[in-house]
Amino acid sequence: DIVMTQSPDSLAVSLGERATINCKTSQSVLHSSHNKNYLAWYQQKPGQPPKVLIFWASTRESGVPDRFTGSGSGTDFTLTISSLQPEDVAVYFCQQHYSTPLTFGGGTKVEI
Amino acid sequence: QVQLQESGPGLVKPSQTLSLTCTVSGGPIGSDNYYWNWIRQPPGKGLEWIGHIFYSGTTSYNPSLRSRLTISVDTSKNQFFLKLRSVTAADTALYYCARGPLNRLLLSWGQGTQVIVSS
Repeated sequence: DIVMTQSPDSLAVSLGERATINCKTSQSVLHSSHNKNYLAWYQQKPGQPPKVLIFWASTRESGVPDRFTGSGSGTDFTLTISSLQPEDVAVYFCQQHYSTPLTFGGGTKVEI
Repeated sequence: QVQLQESGPGLVKPSQTLSLTCTVSGGPIGSDNYYWNWIRQPPGKGLEWIGHIFYSGTTSYNPSLRSRLTISVDTSKNQFFLKLRSVTAADTALYYCARGPLNRLLLSWGQGTQVIVSS
């Protein structure tokens, strides 16, 4: 299984400030045949299921604000929220979709 | 737009079988473009992928649950199913069903159903 290590567990950021979440995978999730990283980021608000924000490590899902940016390659990845808004309060998870079993990071709770 | 809805008993006794149904609307489950997934989230914890099924019946299970798990599909009813045998308190969780493309993203989720394992 690919182990996902996400940090920090929680993060308090002022409105308008930057939030940075890290995710490390125990093995590379870069698929060499088409040079894509099989790493996604999800946002989960209270009482709701998770929602995909980013896939292929850096591709924003349709409708996701451009203040959300994914970066990284291989085994080290980052989700950055450039200017935190009130509606961004949530738990964020990384997930590898490189191989089964699909695995998730432990989550980062972002608060204001 | 596809919608998924989980259903099943909210309370299961230890050692019994947990059975859940995911009903899909807004699109056929018999599509060769998607996997149909089960994921769970214990109270206050992270996400655990349980397994998925293709419309043909081909499955992939989490090895940690494989010995107790069966996922099946009924394309005529546009439903897929989860059966988890010999449950313990550790199986208490919010259970989600989700649809994802063949790259194994999890794009469309149900709202989840809470299952408590207790006598």
